[in-house]
Amino acid sequence: EAGVVQSPRYKIIEKKQPVAFWCNPISGHNTLYWYRQNLGQGPELLIRYENEEAVDDSQLPKDRFSAERLKGVDSTLKIQPAELGDSAVYLCASSQGTEAFFGQGTRLTVV
Amino acid sequence: AQRVTQPEKLLSVFKGAPVELKCNYSYSGSPELFWYVQYSRQRLQLLLRHISRESIKGFTADLNKGETSFHLKKPFAQEEDSAMYYCALSPSLRRALTFGSGTRLQVQP
Repeated sequence: EAGVVQSPRYKIIEKKQPVAFWCNPISGHNTLYWYRQNLGQGPELLIRYENEEAVDDSQLPKDRFSAERLKGVDSTLKIQPAELGDSAVYLCASSQGTEAFFGQGTRLTVV
Repeated sequence: AQRVTQPEKLLSVFKGAPVELKCNYSYSGSPELFWYVQYSRQRLQLLLRHISRESIKGFTADLNKGETSFHLKKPFAQEEDSAMYYCALSPSLRRALTFGSGTRLQVQP
């Protein structure tokens, strides 16, 4: 079992450009989370899905961020346009009601 | 609003010394509390949760509702314990985690 798989691992883009992150959760996990982790901080929730439904997106900056989870499996998080302050590690996690399992994360650098 | 505070950014101890990583929380109800660990170049992973009342890798954590604390303890630190430790809170198992800012534990030989 590969666990939660995220890609890419690293991404460097210029400000105002779009960027997308992909997450494949553990098979059978209905709950999927996207977190953002700024340098020196703990992860902070962006959005939580139960199957294909976004049930908690109150912390997602909807002017530039969007997410989808088609068919309740894989998920994509998009930023358009990116800003310098978006530089962070973006973590995906999945759960089946007990513990949350995290992916390796995508480190985004906006220059 | 819920909040998790880890007052120490860095804790440095010698091998064999006792370790206590502090965690305080604020939440109006009865939350689920967790410790997550991230070893160098590895993903964030669950270390232990208060409902299990278990000891993992020699670590224990006791929930003190009166002091709203969930400190992580180990009587004798090992070099392989060096890692980032995050305390986290959730209103229930399926809800999202609120993390503290983390404490880096350095165990020196």
